[in-house]
Amino acid sequence: DVKVTQSSRYLVKRTGEKVFLECVQDMDHENMFWYRQDPGLGLRLIYFSYDVKMKEKGDIPEGYSVSREKKERFSLILESASTNQTSMYLCASSLLPAYSNQPQHFGDGTRLSIL
Amino acid sequence: AQSVTQPDIHITVSEGASLELRCNYSYGATPYLFWYVQSPGQGLQLLLKYFSGDTLVQGIKGFEAEFKRSQSSFNLRKPSVHWSDAAEYFCAVGAGDSNSGYALNFGKGTSLLVTP
Repeated sequence: DVKVTQSSRYLVKRTGEKVFLECVQDMDHENMFWYRQDPGLGLRLIYFSYDVKMKEKGDIPEGYSVSREKKERFSLILESASTNQTSMYLCASSLLPAYSNQPQHFGDGTRLSIL
Repeated sequence: AQSVTQPDIHITVSEGASLELRCNYSYGATPYLFWYVQSPGQGLQLLLKYFSGDTLVQGIKGFEAEFKRSQSSFNLRKPSVHWSDAAEYFCAVGAGDSNSGYALNFGKGTSLLVTP
């Protein structure tokens, strides 16, 4: 089974702090994704990456950046945390398909609170 | 761009009753469709997927879904619901091309409550 591990289940930070959310997958997947999940809004894509050192903006990249130095690890960075970034953050990974979408495999999420 | 609509925000069913969760998609070509389930405090787990072929797809935990091109729908069904099925359910669609980065678009979810 694919294992996607997010380093923290719960995190509390202060406004203005630089925050790092870490995600590691163990199945040699090329694609990795970061989403945030808010009540009534579903999942919204922040950034994704289809290769090491490659990144693409999703639907809501403002206030975030990402880093993918190794294939198995994809980090989400809040450069200067703000209260409106309080949310559940979900990491996912998938194979890079030749011709179709592959299922995404999710971690358990990090519930981040910015005070 | 492809999109997904889940018309029902909340659904309540009695244990043992049948279940149908609705999903409508918007996409010009044949989409790639998925259903995920999220238990409280957990990540998303894949229930089933449709890429092509047989329009009735079987998944885990006794779930199935039917792709209907004429209705642009991919509804999730279960004949008899168990209390452990109470969760949030997400439908997702992918365009299956490199322009979209192979990303999926998710619906806003349907919250299922199961009563005794």
